Amino acid sequence: DTGVSQNPRHKITKRGQNVTFRCDPISEHNRLYWYRQTLGQGPEFLTYFQNEAQLEKSRLLSDRFSAERPKGSFSTLEIQRTEQGDSAMYLCASSSSGANNQPQHFGDGTRLSIL
Amino acid sequence: DAKTTQPTSMDCAEGRAANLPCNHSTISGNEYVYWYRQIHSQGPQYIIHGLKNNETNEMASLIITEDRKSSTLILPHATLRDTAVYYCIVRAFRGGATNKLIFGTGTLLAVQP
Repeated sequence: DTGVSQNPRHKITKRGQNVTFRCDPISEHNRLYWYRQTLGQGPEFLTYFQNEAQLEKSRLLSDRFSAERPKGSFSTLEIQRTEQGDSAMYLCASSSSGANNQPQHFGDGTRLSIL
Repeated sequence: DAKTTQPTSMDCAEGRAANLPCNHSTISGNEYVYWYRQIHSQGPQYIIHGLKNNETNEMASLIITEDRKSSTLILPHATLRDTAVYYCIVRAFRGGATNKLIFGTGTLLAVQP
């Protein structure tokens, strides 16, 4: 399968702990996006990379959140000092930089539960 | 980006066509219409997109009205596996922009046996 891969699929942790998620995009895609989805809502944009450059961050991305894409391939999203409100599905998507209307393709997400 | 309006939920009988409407009356000339769906516990799945012409692929057909103020996603022969939340998103593409997707709450399509 050559789709977007996210690991782990599920993460349960205690409040105050740090967590890190990984996203491997479709190999030829140079654009990468992170979204967050809470129960009953559609996904909300968090941040965007073109190659290794982080070009936009949402106001939803507090100082406790950091995302990297060091070599322009896989990306990581770290949450420090987790809070109850961080419980959500974290989704990664990628797209190519061909024509501007190229669709984003999503992974199946990492579901984070904060105890 | 233009706002979209979709019904909260719809039912469809298995084997029949599912027609999912989307209103985007404030759409502008450079905005595309995208459809995604999300099956429980999975990430959103891209279905189809279009600008002004009708589009068809192996999954669905997209019919866009001539004035572009509304569109309909058609699943020609719905199966139980098509039960999902369907999102209609309108997005313009501008050079140098992020082109992030803005999701609403979508339409929950329930295919009935």
